[in-house]
Amino acid sequence: EDKVVQSPLSLVVHEGDTVTLNCSYEVTNFRSLLWYKQEKKAPTFLFMLTSSGIEKKSGRLSSILDKKELFSILNITATQTGDSAVYLCAVGGENSGAGSYQLTFGKGTKLSVIP
Amino acid sequence: SQTIHQWPATLVQPVGSPLSLECTVEGTSNPNLYWYRQAAGRGLQLLFYSVGIGQISSEVPQNLSASRPQDRQFILSSKKLLLSDSGFYLCAWSASHLTDTQYFGPGTRLTVL
Repeated sequence: EDKVVQSPLSLVVHEGDTVTLNCSYEVTNFRSLLWYKQEKKAPTFLFMLTSSGIEKKSGRLSSILDKKELFSILNITATQTGDSAVYLCAVGGENSGAGSYQLTFGKGTKLSVIP
Repeated sequence: SQTIHQWPATLVQPVGSPLSLECTVEGTSNPNLYWYRQAAGRGLQLLFYSVGIGQISSEVPQNLSASRPQDRQFILSSKKLLLSDSGFYLCAWSASHLTDTQYFGPGTRLTVL
């Protein structure tokens, strides 16, 4: 069974701090790892990573994948209160015999940024 | 650009009542469509996915069912709701086999009393 484990489960930081969120996985026929941000409603897409060692960056957020050690990190620098959310990690693997791809989600890391 | 709609946004239903949640996607053709449930303190659980009209795969045995009557329409149903069906239901789409990236609708908060 595919598995995605995120740590920590929750985190409280002050504005301006830098945070690192972790995601480790075990999945059959790995294809990609995705990060989402979920505020009150629907998760919004942040990054998709497929290759080891290549950093994806968007403003203050960045992420990198290590396919050998089976994990990814999401970094947020100079945090702001608007970064408060649940960050979800998902891994794409081939569902054997079904002909369609699925994502397996972790339980998320709840980040709270206080002024 | 593509957009995904879900309705209703919130729903309160008694145990034993039927359910119908609808999801539609605009701006794309032949998407893969997904239904997820997110219960409090738990991750996103994939319920159903569909790669085309009339093609539904179920991931979790339960009293829910899904249908895809049109290319960009996905419906989640139940004949009799259970208390354990309460949760946040999310519909998502992806561009068929081209990418793993799934895009989520705004969700439906279902409370079964």
